[in-house]
Amino acid sequence: DVKVTQSSRYLVKRTGEKVFLECVQDMDHENMFWYRQDPGLGLRLIYFSYDVKMKEKGDIPEGYSVSREKKERFSLILESASTNQTSMYLCASSSLLGAGNSPLHFGNGTRLTVT
Amino acid sequence: AQSVTQPDIHITVSEGASLELRCNYSYGATPYLFWYVQSPGQGLQLLLKYFSGDTLVQGIKGFEAEFKRSQSSFNLRKPSVHWSDAAEYFCAVGGTGGFKTIFGAGTRLFVKA
Repeated sequence: DVKVTQSSRYLVKRTGEKVFLECVQDMDHENMFWYRQDPGLGLRLIYFSYDVKMKEKGDIPEGYSVSREKKERFSLILESASTNQTSMYLCASSSLLGAGNSPLHFGNGTRLTVT
Repeated sequence: AQSVTQPDIHITVSEGASLELRCNYSYGATPYLFWYVQSPGQGLQLLLKYFSGDTLVQGIKGFEAEFKRSQSSFNLRKPSVHWSDAAEYFCAVGGTGGFKTIFGAGTRLFVKA
């Protein structure tokens, strides 16, 4: 089974801090994604990556950046955390079939609170 | 624009009763359709997917879904619900050509004894 591991289940950060969310997958998947999940809004795509050192903006990239230096690792960075970034963050990966037609494998999520 | 609508924010079903969760999508070409389930404190797990062929697809945990192109729907069903099915369910649509997966807002299922 594909395993997607997010380094933290819960994080509490202060406004203005730089925050790193880490994600590692063990199935050699090409595609990796960061979503945020908010009640009533479902999952919204922040950034995704098709390959090492490649990244593409999703639907809500403002206030975020990403890094993919190795195939198995995809990091989400909040340059200066704000309270409206309090949310559940989900990392996912999928195989080379394509970003939209391949099932996603999710980590367990990181619940970030910004105070 | 592509979109996914799950009309029911939450549903309550008695244990042993049948279940149907609704999903409607808007997509210009043949869609790739998915249902995911999220148990409390967990990530999303794939229940089933439809790419082509038979419009009735079987998934894990006894779930099935039917693709109806004329109604732009992909409803999830289960004949007899178990208490462990209480979770949030997400319908999603994907496509080719770099199109990314879009999720509905989710339906939370409550199961009463």
